[in-house]
Amino acid sequence: GDSVTQMEGPVTLSEEAFLTINCTYTATGYPSLFWYVQYPGEGLQLLLKATKADDKGSNKGFEATYRKETTSFHLEKGSVQVSDSAVYFCALRTYSGGGADGLTFGKGTHLIIQP
Amino acid sequence: GAGVSQSPSNKVTEKGKDVELRCDPISGHTALYWYRQSLGQGLEFLIYFQGNSAPDKSGLPSDRFSAERTGGSVSTLTIQRTQQEDSAVYLCASSFSPNREQYFGPGTRLTVT
Repeated sequence: GDSVTQMEGPVTLSEEAFLTINCTYTATGYPSLFWYVQYPGEGLQLLLKATKADDKGSNKGFEATYRKETTSFHLEKGSVQVSDSAVYFCALRTYSGGGADGLTFGKGTHLIIQP
Repeated sequence: GAGVSQSPSNKVTEKGKDVELRCDPISGHTALYWYRQSLGQGLEFLIYFQGNSAPDKSGLPSDRFSAERTGGSVSTLTIQRTQQEDSAVYLCASSFSPNREQYFGPGTRLTVT
């Protein structure tokens, strides 16, 4: 079946540091890829997505590129802020004959940014 | 506008009791999803509705779990004879159509004692 693997953390960085959170996947079909974020006390929010190979999703200074050859979708940000502290989930979605399947999530990476 | 709402926000129940969790999707969203978030298993997909029908029930962990959706809107997830391993946060999401962005509710935290 489909699966997503990401570093679990916690990942602790200083403000303005460069961030990379690795994500790799296995999928039977040709999936769409997502990063979701869960801020403390809040619900899951879509951060960015990519639907085909070599697409780059971007939002709020975060970027991730859909790499089919390495089955990866690593999340990056050039300069993190304290407000980026949250749990980040990599996810994929495949499409069956009955319509879209549910999202398959990684375990989540807890990111802590220190001032 | 109003987002996805879920009730109750917290539920504590005794082992062996039945519980019902409710989800109100965003108005006009035809697709509705249930997920479970637990420490051991992370985020797991449970079931998906398109309108009132559920083409994908593959994620339901046992026959104690069932879900229904009426009027293409509100959905109820029912867990019968709850067990301690059912303790988790149950998340609901909805989308305008199956291939569009899913919007998540705040979740229901279920604790089985």
